[in-house]
Amino acid sequence: EDQVTQSPEALRLQEGESSSLNCSYTVSGLRGLFWYRQDPGKGPEFLFTLYSAGEEKEKERLKATLTKKESFLHITAPKPEDSATYLCAVRPGDDKIIFGKGTRLHILP
Amino acid sequence: NAGVTQTPKFRVLKTGQSMTLLCAQDMNHEYMYWYRQDPGMGLRLIHYSVGEGTTAKGEVPDGYNVSRLKKQNFLLGLESAAPSQTSVYFCASRRGQGPNQPQHFGDGTRLSIL
Repeated sequence: EDQVTQSPEALRLQEGESSSLNCSYTVSGLRGLFWYRQDPGKGPEFLFTLYSAGEEKEKERLKATLTKKESFLHITAPKPEDSATYLCAVRPGDDKIIFGKGTRLHILP
Repeated sequence: NAGVTQTPKFRVLKTGQSMTLLCAQDMNHEYMYWYRQDPGMGLRLIHYSVGEGTTAKGEVPDGYNVSRLKKQNFLLGLESAAPSQTSVYFCASRRGQGPNQPQHFGDGTRLSIL
């Protein structure tokens, strides 16, 4: 069964304290892994697509990496405005996209 | 630059009532999806469509119906609402070509069933 697991469920960091969020997956034929950011009361906002093991993408303080079994979202020197829920999703060999339950990130000033 | 628009944004229903949620996208995307998001459960796929006139079941389709009569619109219907359908509903669309095209989401419809 295709599955996506994100950890930790919640993370509190001080401003400037770097950390990583994990997304592990088991799918039959990965056709893309996606990271989204979701703010309260809003829909998920697309951040990155990763397709091949070893691939990396960066955007401001965020960097996403991909291996054959998991992806990491690295947050470097975060600011309070980085507080949000971060969602990981995978596309297996069909038209569906499967989401993890997300990591709630809170950056304290 | 509208993207994906969902209407209504909020709704309260009584058990047994029916309603339709509307999703409209202006990006000429082939694929459209309906999800529900519940605390601790993440986003779960209800139904999806790979093109005008097509629909398919997702992970949690029971109690819902959908229609895609026009490419830009995807309707989600609740024929007889139940309290278990209280949730936040998100619509998303995706360009059909390419294996790693991301989904673009609306801002949700918050539905309460009393």
